Amino acid sequence: GENVEQHPSTLSVQEGDSAVIKCTYSDSASNYFPWYKQELGKGPQLIIDIRSNVGEKKDQRIAVTLNKTAKHFSLHITETQPEDSAVYFCADGSSASKIIFGSGTRLSIRP
Amino acid sequence: DTAVSQTPKYLVTQMGNDKSIKCEQNLGHDTMYWYKQDSKKFLKIMFSYNNKELIINETVPNRFSPKSPDKAHLNLHINSLELGDSAVYFCASSQTTDNQPQHFGDGTRLSIL
Repeated sequence: GENVEQHPSTLSVQEGDSAVIKCTYSDSASNYFPWYKQELGKGPQLIIDIRSNVGEKKDQRIAVTLNKTAKHFSLHITETQPEDSAVYFCADGSSASKIIFGSGTRLSIRP
Repeated sequence: DTAVSQTPKYLVTQMGNDKSIKCEQNLGHDTMYWYKQDSKKFLKIMFSYNNKELIINETVPNRFSPKSPDKAHLNLHINSLELGDSAVYFCASSQTTDNQPQHFGDGTRLSIL
């Protein structure tokens, strides 16, 4: 069945350094991969997404890469700041009417 | 303006009671969802509705009954609450069903005593 695996479950980086979160998916037909950021007491918020017709997408300090052959996709955050601390979820949004979420990564930025 | 709003934000109640959570979206979207987030932060789809019609019911017990009076609202009624129902419930919406970003509310934290 559909499955998304996400690593690591926790990540602590020094402010200003980069953070990378990796995910794998199981369905080779999947073609839409959103990333969500969840702050304490809030709902998940979309931060970036990628479709299978591109290999990389960038938005300021955030980038996502997709390797369809290996069924991997990754989130890269550069020049991390304290406000980047949150739980990040990768997802497979390809199925009609639902998102399959990864298990989440708790990112902490050390001052 | 809040795009997806759900009420109440917190709900504390006794086992066996019946309770409802309301959700409204002002984005003009066709599709709405309910997700459950457990204590380990794992997010799982429960229901999705498109134009007031049920599309997905992910093997949720029939104690959970969603109702969509119109496209902008999807409420969740839960009968005979159990300890295992304690979680954060999120409502979300998207423009259509296919490969679209979803917009989430801020959740309802349900605690069963």
